[in-house]
Amino acid sequence: DTEVTQTPKHLVMGMTNKKSLKCEQHMGHRAMYWYKQKAKKPPELMFVYSYEKLSINESVPSRFSPECPNSSLLNLHLHALQPEDSALYLCASSQDFMQSTDTQYFGPGTRLTVL
Amino acid sequence: AQSVAQPEDQVNVAEGNPLTVKCTYSVSGNPYLFWYVQYPNRGLQFLLKYITGDNLVKGSYGFEAEFNKSQTSFHLKKPSALVSDSALYFCAVRAKKTSYDKVIFGPGTSLSVIP
Repeated sequence: DTEVTQTPKHLVMGMTNKKSLKCEQHMGHRAMYWYKQKAKKPPELMFVYSYEKLSINESVPSRFSPECPNSSLLNLHLHALQPEDSALYLCASSQDFMQSTDTQYFGPGTRLTVL
Repeated sequence: AQSVAQPEDQVNVAEGNPLTVKCTYSVSGNPYLFWYVQYPNRGLQFLLKYITGDNLVKGSYGFEAEFNKSQTSFHLKKPSALVSDSALYFCAVRAKKTSYDKVIFGPGTSLSVIP
């Protein structure tokens, strides 16, 4: 089973709100990722967790705060977002981030709209 | 610089005809290449990858890709296109960026299969 689940599917929030995106995988993968994707563009890497530790932060603004409570769960906490942050947020997981042949499997995404 | 190019923004093909989606890459070291497909309002789905060995790689949904080292290409192919193949296709390469490897996605090619 190569399934990554994400909730919610859609989220609308104001610039002063605090919300969270959730991601879950049960494939025993030890790496999890957050990507941001604008319409008809490739995904842009935001964060990588490897063995539940934050390994990569691609210079993401602090209004995005990732959290990895355990090896199966990944959250993205959102606070004081801007309208330009509206996008599809994709979660992915893979067996081992350090392996060059590693394959990432993506969830369906959360469509975020910031008003 | 490590990069992936997909020279065609849009590819149109008649149903039943063979399809090709082009990808070229530029990396130092061994290339690890991937194809993903994204249907509207969905996440990315893994199709296939090239690691080493046979230059013809077979993947999901009848797709295959041919690795050509001399031309630094990894074109995606399918012998007979279906209307349901209409989607956005991303080529990707695992490449080293500063101190870590990351997956670099091409800009994407929108495939339309015409009934």
